[in-house]
Amino acid sequence: AQSVAQPEDQVNVAEGNPLTVKCTYSVSGNPYLFWYVQYPNRGLQFLLKYITGDNLVKGSYGFEAEFNKSQTSFHLKKPSALVSDSALYFCAVRDSENTPLVFGKGTRLSVIA
Amino acid sequence: DTAVSQTPKYLVTQMGNDKSIKCEQNLGHDTMYWYKQDSKKFLKIMFSYNNKELIINETVPNRFSPKSPDKAHLNLHINSLELGDSAVYFCASSQVESSPLHFGNGTRLTVT
Repeated sequence: AQSVAQPEDQVNVAEGNPLTVKCTYSVSGNPYLFWYVQYPNRGLQFLLKYITGDNLVKGSYGFEAEFNKSQTSFHLKKPSALVSDSALYFCAVRDSENTPLVFGKGTRLSVIA
Repeated sequence: DTAVSQTPKYLVTQMGNDKSIKCEQNLGHDTMYWYKQDSKKFLKIMFSYNNKELIINETVPNRFSPKSPDKAHLNLHINSLELGDSAVYFCASSQVESSPLHFGNGTRLTVT
């Protein structure tokens, strides 16, 4: 069965600094990997995904993520954080058709002005 | 236009009651889902429907029954509500398994 780990409950970063939100995964086959963001009282919004191809994936709002197969990681990054990036971030994985998308427990990002 | 819409947004009810949450998507997606988000923000899949057929049914009490009258709708009916059912319930849809999920804004259920 697939699983996702987000080792940090909270990440604090100063505005303008680079940010990283960590994610590691476990699947039996090839992973489909996703990042979502959740703002208060809202549903999750899709940021980016990795299916196949280039290991560096670019997504919405200037976010990107790097797929590392040997480390089974898919860390979310942004070169320069904004206060408006403050939200709850979820990493998710599935490994084949008809298996559910499994979410990590979420990481709360706080960008301080 | 709202892509995935859920009603109601808030639902407060007493233990033992029966309630329903409705979900509609106008994206033409084939697959719809129900997720439960608990007080610690942990998200767990409950059900998945593809073209009105149940695909995934995780270990959810049989008090929870999804109903899909057509592929644009997936409603969730809950019988004999319990305190532990209090959570935010999210409906979502996707086109194929490798495509992203589109989420509704959630229904906050409070059982007193």
